[in-house]
Amino acid sequence: DADVTQTPRNRITKTGKRIMLECSQTKGHDRMYWYRQDPGLGLRLIYYSFDVKDINKGEISDGYSVSRQAQAKFSLSLESAIPNQTALYFCATSGTGRGTEAFFGQGTRLTVV
Amino acid sequence: QQQVKQSPQSLIVQKGGISIINCAYENTAFDYFPWYQQFPGKGPALLIAIRPDVSEKKEGRFTISFNKSAKQFSLHIMDSQPGDSATYFCAASLSNSGYALNFGKGTSLLVTP
Repeated sequence: DADVTQTPRNRITKTGKRIMLECSQTKGHDRMYWYRQDPGLGLRLIYYSFDVKDINKGEISDGYSVSRQAQAKFSLSLESAIPNQTALYFCATSGTGRGTEAFFGQGTRLTVV
Repeated sequence: QQQVKQSPQSLIVQKGGISIINCAYENTAFDYFPWYQQFPGKGPALLIAIRPDVSEKKEGRFTISFNKSAKQFSLHIMDSQPGDSATYFCAASLSNSGYALNFGKGTSLLVTP
């Protein structure tokens, strides 16, 4: 089983719908992150969490919200999806300490029509 | 704004050649500089990383060169192989954002037989 699991892997949704992307990890890491990948733009940080009670906005948080339900679970919600949120979304985790490796999930490809 | 600038956007190298990807950053508070490799359909995976107190780090065929005064760092892939064909991302992070990664836009590397 993967250390970082994202569900669903693919999703097509309509404009205006609410959608939740889920991430769970078995690494035992405290830090979790959500990134968005667009062609030619690299990966951009949406939200990050140091632990269950500590959630922070990233570079592009507008239109997104997150919930850290447990140490191992971090979900990303689009309250009212719009077409320019069509992208590949990645969840990642890392341990505490100075500059430790981030482990990424396989990604969720989201299409908003 | 993109905090890490990466070039080139794409690169074609013959088998056995040297692949070189360059990155530049502005924030002198960054203290961790990893490179991630991504294959199609997969999440990024850590390839090699360096801290600013070191000017070079080598792991097998992969070398990071770091120039703190110029605020630049680069990835060199020696004896490039077709299996190295992937997208490469440089990144930078700092402690007060939980080492959330600031990515470059990526370089698509193709190594021809």
